Amino acid sequence: AQSVTQPDIHITVSEGASLELRCNYSYGATPYLFWYVQSPGQGLQLLLKYFSGDTLVQGIKGFEAEFKRSQSSFNLRKPSVHWSDAAEYFCAVGAMDTGRRALTFGSGTRLQVQP
Amino acid sequence: ETGVTQTPRHLVMGMTNKKSLKCEQHLGHNAMYWYKQSAKKPLELMFVYNFKEQTENNSVPSRFSPECPNSSHLFLHLHTLQPEDSALYLCASSRSIGQTTYEQYFGPGTRLTVT
Repeated sequence: AQSVTQPDIHITVSEGASLELRCNYSYGATPYLFWYVQSPGQGLQLLLKYFSGDTLVQGIKGFEAEFKRSQSSFNLRKPSVHWSDAAEYFCAVGAMDTGRRALTFGSGTRLQVQP
Repeated sequence: ETGVTQTPRHLVMGMTNKKSLKCEQHLGHNAMYWYKQSAKKPLELMFVYNFKEQTENNSVPSRFSPECPNSSHLFLHLHTLQPEDSALYLCASSRSIGQTTYEQYFGPGTRLTVT
């Protein structure tokens, strides 16, 4: 079965600084990978997805992520963080594993942005 | 209305009450999902429906009863809940689940408090 690990529970960065959120997955074949963002009291919004092809994918709000098969990672990056990026970020993996077709989510990373 | 809508947004109910959560998607999707999000716990998949048929039930207690009358609507009927069932309940939809996995689109959630 697939699994997702987000090693950082909480990260604080200064506004304007760069950001990298880590995501490691476990799956025997090529996974489908996603990043979602959740603002307080809201649902999850899709930031970007990787299905195949170019390993560097661009998303909304200036985010990008890079799929590295050798490291089983799909880290989320942003060159310059804005105060409005403060939220919780979830990495998810989708796969056709023993008939399970839904997504498996990581436990999330809460991002705080300092002025 | 666009995207995925959920009503009510907030619900407070006693342990002996019966209530229902409603989800509606306006995206032309054929798969719908219920998730439970509790504080400090990963997102928990509860039920999956594909073309109105339930395809996954992740050992959810029978006090939660889903209903999917058509591909656009999903309900979660609640009865004799416990305080530990207090959480944010998220609905999501995606293209039909076939031989691959598609990204899911989430509603804003219903914040449920059981007293």
